Amino acid sequence: AQRVTQPEKLLSVFKGAPVELKCNYSYSGSPELFWYVQYSRQRLQLLLRHISRESIKGFTADLNKGETSFHLKKPFAQEEDSAMYYCALSGYNQGGKLIFGQGTELSVKP
Amino acid sequence: NAGVTQTPKFRVLKTGQSMTLLCAQDMNHEYMYWYRQDPGMGLRLIHYSVGEGTTAKGEVPDGYNVSRLKKQNFLLGLESAAPSQTSVYFCASRQGLVGQFFGPGTRLTVL
Repeated sequence: AQRVTQPEKLLSVFKGAPVELKCNYSYSGSPELFWYVQYSRQRLQLLLRHISRESIKGFTADLNKGETSFHLKKPFAQEEDSAMYYCALSGYNQGGKLIFGQGTELSVKP
Repeated sequence: NAGVTQTPKFRVLKTGQSMTLLCAQDMNHEYMYWYRQDPGMGLRLIHYSVGEGTTAKGEVPDGYNVSRLKKQNFLLGLESAAPSQTSVYFCASRQGLVGQFFGPGTRLTVL
């Protein structure tokens, strides 16, 4: 079964601390993995794609096929990073539809 | 270039009423999607479309119908609304491998 698991509902850190939002997936094949961010009451925005291997707003994510994980990391959290973060998976030849994790709320305290 | 837009932004319905949510995109994307967002459950796919005139069921299609008569529009219909359909509905579109672009959402309350 295809599934995305984000084990933490809420992650609270202080400004300047490192952040790691966990994402594990279950998929028999080579999926596309994404991180989306949703600021308070706004639309979801694409943050990262695993195929592009880029860094956006200081965030990075590495696909670990052995551990079936795609954790999101940032070395120094900022208050403006406070938001809801969703990990999502798209399977091969499945119309591009996304399977989302439950989401992790990141709260960065001053 | 407005991206993905949704109409209406908010709506309150009584049980049994019907309504249609409109999603429009001006990026000439082939693929379009409807999701619902509920606390603690992330986003779940209701229906999707891989091109004009085509639709397919997602994870939670019951109680909803869709139509894609024009490439730029994707309509989501509720024939007989139920309180369990109280949610935030997001539309998205996609072309190629760049990921999905989302609309601003529609907050629907069914009393």
